[in-house]
Amino acid sequence: EAGVTQFPSHSVIEKGQTVTLRCDPISGHDNLYWYRRVMGKEIKFLLHFVKESKQDESGMPNNRFLAERTGGTYSTLKVQPAELEDSGVYFCASSSRRTGLRVSYNEQFFGPGTRLTVL
Amino acid sequence: GENVEQHPSTLSVQEGDSAVIKCTYSDSASNYFPWYKQELGKGPQLIIDIRSNVGEKKDQRIAVTLNKTAKHFSLHITETQPEDSAVYFCAAPRTGANNLFFGTGTRLTVIP
Repeated sequence: EAGVTQFPSHSVIEKGQTVTLRCDPISGHDNLYWYRRVMGKEIKFLLHFVKESKQDESGMPNNRFLAERTGGTYSTLKVQPAELEDSGVYFCASSSRRTGLRVSYNEQFFGPGTRLTVL
Repeated sequence: GENVEQHPSTLSVQEGDSAVIKCTYSDSASNYFPWYKQELGKGPQLIIDIRSNVGEKKDQRIAVTLNKTAKHFSLHITETQPEDSAVYFCAAPRTGANNLFFGTGTRLTVIP
């Protein structure tokens, strides 16, 4: 079974430019998460999709970040315009949806991340 | 969830020795505590988790203990091997949500 894949693995852009990150979750996983780790700090939650719907976007830093998951398959995270503080590693994770439970903590499978550097 | 603190930030041990990483959390409603291992160039991978109805869980050389009263949980690795070298993250869920709060990570180095 293929794991979570992310593209690109690295991206170096200049302040003010736009970057789009892509995540392909494990096939059949309804839940898709975006996280970010700024160097040396914790991995911070950005948002959570259930299929194509945004379940929780409370972690999105500001309106320069836009996430989509059209069709409930792959997801993109666009940063426009990028700022210096957006640098970090962006992780995508996916999990299956266990039915019958109000809140279910299924294992989240992480992709390898995209290292974004904004100069 | 809400706030997860992790210590130490770096840890070096001799091969064969034990390693212990500790985390505390602030939300008393948290009931699930996973540990992730991140190797170079890869994403975090779940290695063990524990739910609040048990105090300890073991899987070969890895064990996790949970003290709900004190709101802390620990990862124990025994008989460490060089391939255990990685960054380890503890996590706890945000109450009422599926996303996780992570600690700041511990870089473990096992010296051959």
